[in-house]
Amino acid sequence: GNSVTQMEGPVTLSEEAFLTINCTYTATGYPSLFWYVQYPGEGLQLLLKATKADDKGSNKGFEATYRKETTSFHLEKGSVQVSDSAVYFCALSEKSGGGADGLTFGKGTHLIIQP
Amino acid sequence: NAGVMQNPRHLVRRRGQEARLRCSPMKGHSHVYWYRQLPEEGLKFMVYLQKENIIDESGMPKERFSAEFPKEGPSILRIQQVVRGDSAAYFCASSPIGGSDEQYFGPGTRLTVT
Repeated sequence: GNSVTQMEGPVTLSEEAFLTINCTYTATGYPSLFWYVQYPGEGLQLLLKATKADDKGSNKGFEATYRKETTSFHLEKGSVQVSDSAVYFCALSEKSGGGADGLTFGKGTHLIIQP
Repeated sequence: NAGVMQNPRHLVRRRGQEARLRCSPMKGHSHVYWYRQLPEEGLKFMVYLQKENIIDESGMPKERFSAEFPKEGPSILRIQQVVRGDSAAYFCASSPIGGSDEQYFGPGTRLTVT
């Protein structure tokens, strides 16, 4: 079956540091890949996505590249801010039939940015 | 365009009671998904519904849990005879007609069973 593995947290960084959160996946076909962010007490918000190999998703300074050869989708940001503190989830979607399937999520990585 | 709405945001039930969680998808969305998030865990897919149809319930516990998405009104996730292990955050997501794989999440319902 499908699975997503992401680095465990918490990850604590100083403001303006470089961020990498690793994510690798297992899927039977060609999934779409996503990063979602969850702020305290809120639901998940889509941060970025990539739908095919070598695609790069980007949003709000965050980037992730779909690497089929390494089955990875690592999240990066060049200079983090305190407001980036949140839990980040890597996820995949593998369509079957004509409709969208449920997403498969990693366990989440809690990111803490200190001023 | 209002986002995905869920209510209540917090729900407290005693063991053995029933819990009903409601989800109103975004306007124009006819696909609804329910997920459960246990403490310190990621979200686990439970069920995928379209209007009046259950498409995939492979993640639903076999007993006590049911879901519906009627022609009119919100989607309902129903948990009968709740137990402490049902305490979790339950999230609903929706996607537009046509089966987009991009899902939009509601704020969740936090269920506490005492």
